[in-house]
Parts: sequence; structure tokens; C-alpha cells
Amino acid sequence: QSVLTQPPSASGTPGQRVTISCSGSSSNIGSNYVYWYQQLPGMAPKLLIYRNNQRPSGVPDRFSGSKSGASASLAISGLRSEDEADYYCATWDDSLSGVVFGGGTKLTVL
Amino acid sequence: EAQLLESGGGLVQPGGSLRLSCAASGFTFSSYAMTWVRQAPGKGLEWVSGISGSGGSTYYGDSVKGRFTISRDNSKNTLYLQMNSLRAEDTAIYYCAKWSSGNWYKYNWFDPWGQGTLVTVSS
Repeated sequence: QSVLTQPPSASGTPGQRVTISCSGSSSNIGSNYVYWYQQLPGMAPKLLIYRNNQRPSGVPDRFSGSKSGASASLAISGLRSEDEADYYCATWDDSLSGVVFGGGTKLTVL
Repeated sequence: EAQLLESGGGLVQPGGSLRLSCAASGFTFSSYAMTWVRQAPGKGLEWVSGISGSGGSTYYGDSVKGRFTISRDNSKNTLYLQMNSLRAEDTAIYYCAKWSSGNWYKYNWFDPWGQGTLVTVSS
């Protein structure tokens, strides 16, 4: 049972825009930044979004993040086949003094 | 470019011990906190433990507290995870990851991650 709640799956066709939600509580998302990690099949996770909406160099601007209250979302526009992966949200939890993750969302490009 | 390479995984019996290592290169190791994150087969990510850049402060997730010990040797650019009293539910790929700050604290993130090492706890 993950601390943060994500939908287990999402899908879209090439070129579409999809969003993945992540909900938490006042002790985690509500008072901290949200991060998103992409895990391609068989690979290690990779940082996709940091501090709610910042993209590391090399991450296409098709990926964007937002946060409102105790919820956050990742949007992927112009969906491509190579975006098929698992996506995890994460944030700091003040009561744990550590990082908590969502259960992950498997994105399928139809 | 920062790179991380884990080793030490394998098959161990319940109640046994194992020590994982993570060799770091491409950055000033002692300037960054480091962490372990695990992923059970077919499951999501779970933060396991973190350590400050100096090694003076350590932090653990509730599921491993009292059984696992994180440490580092800054002279060898190496991170360790000593795992004792292993249980079947500890079976997972263990990733080491660089924290974006020298202190294990909020406002920071994991980047990059190593390729992971598989730990299997089974009789």
C-alpha cells in the first residue's frame, strides 16, 4: 500500500495528451515538492520532473508537472511510442523524514 | 557524468545477511547524500535508507529500521547497505541513487540511479 495514490494504468494514442494524477496528504505533497520518475521497461528509474514542474536538461518539454494542494499531476503531450513506461510520483514526508512514492502508473501507447 | 554501480546481490536464506555496495564515479562523492531504494518484483518503488555526505547522519524506512545499516567510505567513493535478519519480503532489486544535496533533507531528489542489484531471500 503506497503512501501516494496513482492510477495503476493510463493509455493514449500517438500524438495525444495524457495526464497521470498523484494524490497525497498535508504531511507530504501538501507541504513539499513533487518529483516524477520514468522507468522504461527493464531499466532503472530516471528523473523526469523535479520541484513540481522543473525539467532536467535533456527531458523534452512534452513532459510537464503541476501541483495543487495535496495533489499533483504529470502531463505528457504529443505522446510517442517511446513514452511507454512506468511513471512514479514521489515527495518528502515530514512525519517519516524520508521519501514516499506513489504505486506507479503504467503508460501504454496504443 | 555521475555513474553508480551496485554489486553484492544474490540468493540468501531467511534470517541471513548480505552486504550491498555501490561504487560511485564522475562526481565529488563526499559532497552528496546517498540513498538506497528498492523495488520488489513487479511492484513499485520503496525508499529504504539515506545517509548524509559526511556519513554522520543516517535515516531508514520503517520496514528496515533496526535490521539494515547504511554506511559510506568517502575515501573509496563507495556506499554500502548491510542487511541483516532478511525476510522474504526484502526480495527486490536494490538501487543506489545520488541525492541532489549533501544533506538528507527535503527539497531534493534522486539523480542518477544505478542499474540495481537483485536480492532474493528464499530457502
